[in-house]
Amino acid sequence: QLVLTQSPSASASLGASVRLACTLSSGHSTYAIAWHQLHSDKGPRYLMKLNSDGSHTRGDGIPDRFSGSSSGAERYLTISGLQSEDEAEYYCQTWGTGLWVFGGGTKLTVL
Amino acid sequence: VLLVQSGAEVKKPGESLKISCKGSGYNFPDYWIGWVRQMPGKGLEWMGLIYPGDSDTRYSPSFQGQVTISADKSIDTAYLQWSSLKASDTGKYYCATAGIGGDAFDMWGQGTMVTVTP
Repeated sequence: QLVLTQSPSASASLGASVRLACTLSSGHSTYAIAWHQLHSDKGPRYLMKLNSDGSHTRGDGIPDRFSGSSSGAERYLTISGLQSEDEAEYYCQTWGTGLWVFGGGTKLTVL
Repeated sequence: VLLVQSGAEVKKPGESLKISCKGSGYNFPDYWIGWVRQMPGKGLEWMGLIYPGDSDTRYSPSFQGQVTISADKSIDTAYLQWSSLKASDTGKYYCATAGIGGDAFDMWGQGTMVTVTP
């Protein structure tokens, strides 16, 4: 079964870096994913597509403070130089075998 | 590329509803469009996906039989409809393009809030 697992919450200080993780279920470690940002008062924003080899393609207008990496079944989103507007929920998403799946989301707090 | 969704709706249980998502700035028939639900205080849930070019439609098992997804490529618009709403259908509904291959949701609509209340 295709499942994405994310930690419910994370926090980091203004100006620091944070790495958010998304874990693919067993048997799906080669799948690509996408990362999305969701503010409570806005619609989702596509950040990037991240492949199993760590290569990634950011969406239009996404700053290079947002980067992706991969290790086995883990997919990571790293945000550098944290800004207050980065406080949001972050969702990973994947697709395959006729299904599209979201992780449960990680709420990021910028301290 | 832009997806513009129809406005907020307030309905009673048992009523029907059809919300829309109009695409512009790209060749609408060639790109899959998906629908995603966010219930109050909850995460994103994939509902289904349609290829407007031939109306090939895929549904999440959780939503199969509960909603109908359709598209009219002559007016670059996709639809999500309910025949009999329930209070548990209350939530915000987003459309998003999923590329030619149907993969990452790479452009999102602004969302349509649906409230179902007696």
